[in-house]
This record gives sequence, C-alpha cells and structure tokens, in this order.
Amino acid sequence: AQTVTQSQPEMSVQEAETVTLSCTYDTSENNYYLFWYKQPPSRQMILVIRQEAYKQQNATENRFSVNFQKAAKSFSLKISDSQLGDTAMYFCAFITVTGNQFYFGTGTSLTVIP
Amino acid sequence: DTGVSQNPRHKITKRGQNVTFRCDPISEHNRLYWYRQTLGQGPEFLTYFQNEAQLEKSRLLSDRFSAERPKGSFSTLEIQRTEQGDSAMYLCASSLATTGIRMGEQFFGPGTRLTVL
Repeated sequence: AQTVTQSQPEMSVQEAETVTLSCTYDTSENNYYLFWYKQPPSRQMILVIRQEAYKQQNATENRFSVNFQKAAKSFSLKISDSQLGDTAMYFCAFITVTGNQFYFGTGTSLTVIP
Repeated sequence: DTGVSQNPRHKITKRGQNVTFRCDPISEHNRLYWYRQTLGQGPEFLTYFQNEAQLEKSRLLSDRFSAERPKGSFSTLEIQRTEQGDSAMYLCASSLATTGIRMGEQFFGPGTRLTVL
C-alpha cells in the first residue's frame, strides 16, 4: 500500500526566512510522481511543485524547491524568502504512473510571521 | 471564470437523507477526481473518471456512494442514507492529461462541505 507521511503538523517561520517541510512516502513502485500542494485558508488547493521519480535533479519553482531522496523515500519542500501569502496548509502527494490512485499526506500548517 | 466549480458549497442534512453534489470541471479536462477531506486530514481519494468512464473506485466508496459523469462533462456524487460519519468536505479536481506527470496537475474546486445531523 502507498502511504504519505508528513510528521510536522504545524510550523512557523519569520517573513523572509527559509523553511523546510518534510515528507516521506512508502511505495513498491519504481516510477511515480510527487507533488506539493498548497491550501490557503478558505481557498482552493493549488499545485506548488512536481517531481518525476526517475529524475535525479531536484525540481525548482521560483522560491520553492524540493530535496528528493528516492532511496530514502523522502520529498521535502524548501520555501525561501518566505512571504505572508505562503501561510497555508501544505500537502505532499503521490500518484502512480497509471494515475489510478492519488495519495495525500495529512498536511503541515505553515504560518509566516511578519 | 474557467476554474472548477462545485455546488452547493454547503449542505446540511439529516441522517438518512440522500444528498447530491455537482462538480463542473475545466471544460477541456479529461480526468475528474472526487476526494473526501475531514478536519485535520489530507484529501482521501474516492474515485475518478476519464471522460465518461469511471476507472477507479476507492474502498472508501461504500455502496451508499455513487458517482456519474454523463457525456464526460460535469459529474455528480450522490450519497444515499447519509450517516454522521459522512460529514466532511467533498473536493472535486480535474486534470487535462491522461498520461505522464501532468495527470497529477490537478485543479481543485472549492469543495462542498457536508454536515449530517
């Protein structure tokens, strides 16, 4: 069975600082896709960043980057230069290559402090 | 607005009643997913459609739940004989791609919050 674990229920960071959110997953698949989604308070979930498991290079999207360690089944999200608008729930997610199942972690609530 | 829409946004019902939710995906998107999200949890996959075909159902989707996507456009999720444990946010998402990483690039709707009294 596939599982996604986010061990940090809540985190906070000072504005302009850097924060890392952790995520581990478990799967017997060799190829899959990983994502981080953001759910701002009372707003819709949106995609932050994505990573193919077969790519060794870590994905980067502006201030967001990941540290993907396939052997350790770890997929952490780093947010640089944190902004107040980054305050949200962050969900790590995993999808099989067939796309038949999509698994989300329990989320990390991030608060950016001015 | 060309985003994913869901109606109603809130639904309060009494235990034992039937409820139906609607999701209108982004028009050219082939895949449509339904999730359930309870407080403090991440979304849990329920089912998905590729065009009008329902290709996968989670074991969470009991026989009281049924979903349809006629003509591959909007989708409905019906819950029969609601129970208090059905209280949750029901999320709909759509994606354009049917293969590759872009399957996971899902566009979410605002959700329908169901409260069963």
